[in-house]
Amino acid sequence: KQEVTQIPAALSVPEGENLVLNCSFTDSAIYNLQWFRQDPGKGLTSLLLIQSSQREQTSGRLNASLDKSSGRSTLYIAASQPGDSATYLCAAPEYGNKLVFGAGTILRVKS
Amino acid sequence: DTAVSQTPKYLVTQMGNDKSIKCEQNLGHDTMYWYKQDSKKFLKIMFSYNNKELIINETVPNRFSPKSPDKAHLNLHINSLELGDSAVYFCASSQGSGNTDTQYFGPGTRLTVL
Repeated sequence: KQEVTQIPAALSVPEGENLVLNCSFTDSAIYNLQWFRQDPGKGLTSLLLIQSSQREQTSGRLNASLDKSSGRSTLYIAASQPGDSATYLCAAPEYGNKLVFGAGTILRVKS
Repeated sequence: DTAVSQTPKYLVTQMGNDKSIKCEQNLGHDTMYWYKQDSKKFLKIMFSYNNKELIINETVPNRFSPKSPDKAHLNLHINSLELGDSAVYFCASSQGSGNTDTQYFGPGTRLTVL
């Protein structure tokens, strides 16, 4: 059974800081891992999907890495901005397309 | 253009009532899902349909019944609502049911049972 843990639960940083969000998963036999962003009162937005054959995936100021052997993924946000404030969710598949989500990291970027 | 839409956005109802939440996607996807996010913000899958056929059915009370009239719609009907059903319900869709398909989420429906 897949279990996903995210650390830290909450993070508050000043604008411009680089930061790292961590995700760990128990079943390393995964084909991919996905990072989402959730804004208050809104749905989830897919940020990055890393295939198991990839080590990293980049989109703008976001970089996600995947290390299957250690059961870890990190989301790196460069030069953080107040608009980055949101909850960031990591999700790993359990079987087929069933996603198991972590509890999320609540990020607040202060201007 | 709204890719995955849900109605209503907010739903407040009394215990024991029956209610439905509707979901529509205009992405041409084959697979649709329902997720529940509880008060502790844990997001868990409830159901998944591929081409109108049920492929994932988690341990959900049989008071919850998904209905897929066509590929673009997956509605969630809930009978005899209980206090513990209060949560945010998200609909999602993906191109296929494979594990490489990105899932796209709707804005959520906040259900409050009084």
